[in-house]
Amino acid sequence: EPEVTQTPSHQVTQMGQEVILRCVPISNHLYFYWYRQILGQKVEFLVSFYNNEISEKSEIFDDQFSVERPDGSNFTLKIRSTKLEDSAMYFCASSEEYSPLHFGNGTRLTVT
Amino acid sequence: AQSVTQPDIHITVSEGASLELRCNYSYGATPYLFWYVQSPGQGLQLLLKYFSGDTLVQGIKGFEAEFKRSQSSFNLRKPSVHWSDAAEYFCAVVFTGGGNKLTFGTGTQLKVEL
Repeated sequence: EPEVTQTPSHQVTQMGQEVILRCVPISNHLYFYWYRQILGQKVEFLVSFYNNEISEKSEIFDDQFSVERPDGSNFTLKIRSTKLEDSAMYFCASSEEYSPLHFGNGTRLTVT
Repeated sequence: AQSVTQPDIHITVSEGASLELRCNYSYGATPYLFWYVQSPGQGLQLLLKYFSGDTLVQGIKGFEAEFKRSQSSFNLRKPSVHWSDAAEYFCAVVFTGGGNKLTFGTGTQLKVEL
């Protein structure tokens, strides 16, 4: 069964550094998402992406965040200047229209 | 306001016992409803979904859920729990008209006693 893959599984970075989290969605899916789960808290929506543009974003997704689909297979989340509070598990997901989201295994980001 | 509530943060059951995890939503129409499971260190795996039709839906791993419009609920059930079911369970909702964005409940951590 096709799956969403995320790399790296764990990223450690220093505060103020830029990080890029990478995702390869399922190949025939058209909708892409990033979600975040701070340790012990619920999964929160960050952004959705369709047709090469952001379709919706949450209040969390401020100017420090950006997403990109640089080629036909990858979908990336960039955090320009990381803060301690950005430490979380970041999940990428993809879907067809009005179909369940398929999630990757996540990237655990630790900001020190 | 649109919201998803999972009233139970932690539940402990004995292996072989039945299980029911509660989920309620607040919304003026019928949303799309999902249950996901997250094992430690793993991603989110879809257990089952409800879009329309039969209000009792079957999922993977022997789980089922029943949509009750009158109670705005979508409770997850399993007749006999296995030790490997210990995980965190998330109810999630797509509020129609909100694109395909999932809104998650706070999760229920299931512990299974042998």
